[in-house]
Amino acid sequence: QKEVEQNSGPLSVPEGAIASLNCTYSDRGSQSFFWYRQYSGKSPELIMFIYSNGDKEDGRFTAQLNKASQYVSLLIRDSQPSDSATYLCAVNPPDRNQFYFGTGTSLTVIP
Amino acid sequence: DTAVSQTPKYLVTQMGNDKSIKCEQNLGHDTMYWYKQDSKKFLKIMFSYNNKELIINETVPNRFSPKSPDKAHLNLHINSLELGDSAVYFCASSQGRAAPVNFGQGTRLTVV
Repeated sequence: QKEVEQNSGPLSVPEGAIASLNCTYSDRGSQSFFWYRQYSGKSPELIMFIYSNGDKEDGRFTAQLNKASQYVSLLIRDSQPSDSATYLCAVNPPDRNQFYFGTGTSLTVIP
Repeated sequence: DTAVSQTPKYLVTQMGNDKSIKCEQNLGHDTMYWYKQDSKKFLKIMFSYNNKELIINETVPNRFSPKSPDKAHLNLHINSLELGDSAVYFCASSQGRAAPVNFGQGTRLTVV
């Protein structure tokens, strides 16, 4: 079982819609969860992190964490064409000293 | 002012050659990493250094050797390059092992 799993997509949403990206993880003791955005040909950039159960909002982005079900999600409200990218989920399991990344979900926002 | 910078950005070389990729961070972070991203976008850690000490050495061929002269630099040397080494290599840094990592711009290595 992979440490982090994501649906690779591609996910297409119309401009203005809500894009929902999901990630599950295997180590129940994980404490730190991150979402990175990667444009084609560029490096990953951090957009959200969450440590506690529940929702965390930052502008149009909301990260949701459910430790009991071992999933973390990212919602993008009012999606824009500039949001088209690959979104990578990362988890930092305890005692592993490293991040594990999912394979990423490709998002396309259609104008 | 670039936070994590790596050079070169592109590297095309022949099989069997030896090459190095350099990385420097000016964030004052104590932990640096090398990640490899394959053609399917899977990002996998190769090495991690904390204050110049190797703390993670994932299963990579021993043709890959990291070197950290100080905590702001982490270089990657690759011997006897193979076709399968073609990928994008990212250097990254963080303050502590649980903090978010900042990535460099990547080095696209193509072995022909």
